[in-house]
Amino acid sequence: DAKTTQPNSMESNEEEPVHLPCNHSTISGTDYIHWYRQLPSQGPEYVIHGLTSNVNNRMASLAIAEDRKSSTLILHRATLRDAAVYYCILGANAGGTSYGKLTFGQGTILTVHP
Amino acid sequence: DAGITQSPRHKVTETGTPVTLRCHQTENHRYMYWYRQDPGHGLRLIHYSYGVKDTDKGEVSDGYSVSRSKTEDFLLTLESATSSQTSVYFCATLERLGLPQHFGDGTRLSIL
Repeated sequence: DAKTTQPNSMESNEEEPVHLPCNHSTISGTDYIHWYRQLPSQGPEYVIHGLTSNVNNRMASLAIAEDRKSSTLILHRATLRDAAVYYCILGANAGGTSYGKLTFGQGTILTVHP
Repeated sequence: DAGITQSPRHKVTETGTPVTLRCHQTENHRYMYWYRQDPGHGLRLIHYSYGVKDTDKGEVSDGYSVSRSKTEDFLLTLESATSSQTSVYFCATLERLGLPQHFGDGTRLSIL
């Protein structure tokens, strides 16, 4: 399985933008890039996913490099509630034999300062 | 989230006893998953199900078994619990491929 590399931790100030990087140099042409986050004492929650084009939703934006070997999750204005572990995961979006399985790495611990 | 209930939420038991964790969903999602999470680590997949009575092993399946006799329930059983199975267990569901997984709030299991 293709793997991702994320920084162990990052810090931000409240109301400032946050850029969380993810490297995935062995990504295959059919791999989607998924981001989940896990708030303290909770299960993970979906944030965003994409294939080639940049994606936006109400929670965040996903910027994907042209060669797809890296991506960046962008939180436009961090709040204290955004403090969490952020996971970048590669996976097939549909079909194949993956059965929707996700392989979590250790993720990036985001600390947001007031 | 997505009508997922894990039970019990907390359990303390002794080595060698059988333990069953239940994941119940109300959304009629086809796929269900059991993960475990240990301190400082991401989630690791134990078993998953792609339909009623259709299950398969994940990355860390040794010592665990599962059953899915109906769409809404996915049971995880530790036949003879060991201290190494002390962990937080998360259940997740997926309506169909291409959509995000939804996770329960977890079960904290301590085996003494």
